Amino acid sequence: KQEVTQIPAALSVPEGENLVLNCSFTDSAIYNLQWFRQDPGKGLTSLLLIQSSQREQTSGRLNASLDKSSGRSTLYIAASQPGDSATYLCAVFWDAGKSTFGDGTTLTVKP
Amino acid sequence: DTAVSQTPKYLVTQMGNDKSIKCEQNLGHDTMYWYKQDSKKFLKIMFSYNNKELIINETVPNRFSPKSPDKAHLNLHINSLELGDSAVYFCASSHGRVSEQYFGPGTRLTVT
Repeated sequence: KQEVTQIPAALSVPEGENLVLNCSFTDSAIYNLQWFRQDPGKGLTSLLLIQSSQREQTSGRLNASLDKSSGRSTLYIAASQPGDSATYLCAVFWDAGKSTFGDGTTLTVKP
Repeated sequence: DTAVSQTPKYLVTQMGNDKSIKCEQNLGHDTMYWYKQDSKKFLKIMFSYNNKELIINETVPNRFSPKSPDKAHLNLHINSLELGDSAVYFCASSHGRVSEQYFGPGTRLTVT
């Protein structure tokens, strides 16, 4: 059974800081890993998808890395802005369609 | 130009009633999903359909019955609603079973 843990559960930083969100999973037999953003009362927005054969993906100020062997992924956010405040979810996709989501990290970026 | 849409956005109903939630995607994807997000914000997959065929059913009570009339639609029908069914239900779609998933805005179901 796949388990996904996200640390920290909550994070508060001043605007402009670089930060790292962590995601760990127990079974390295995954197809891919996806990072999402969820704003309060809203749906999930896909940020980055890393295939199992890849080690990182970048989009703008976001960089996600994947280390399958150690069961870890990180989401790096550069020069954080108040608009980045949201809950960030890590999801691991395995066994042809199954998925396990982490509980999320709630980020607050203070102006 | 909404990619994944769900109706209704809010649904309030009494215990014992039967209700449906509709989902449509215009991305040309062949795989669609239903997820449940409970009050603790924990997100869990319920069903997955690929080309209108059920491929995943994650120990969901048989009061929940998904129906896929075509690849662009996956509706969720719930019989005999219970208090514990109160949650936000998200529909998602992807191209294939292991590629990027796109989520709908969610349907907040409240059972009283």
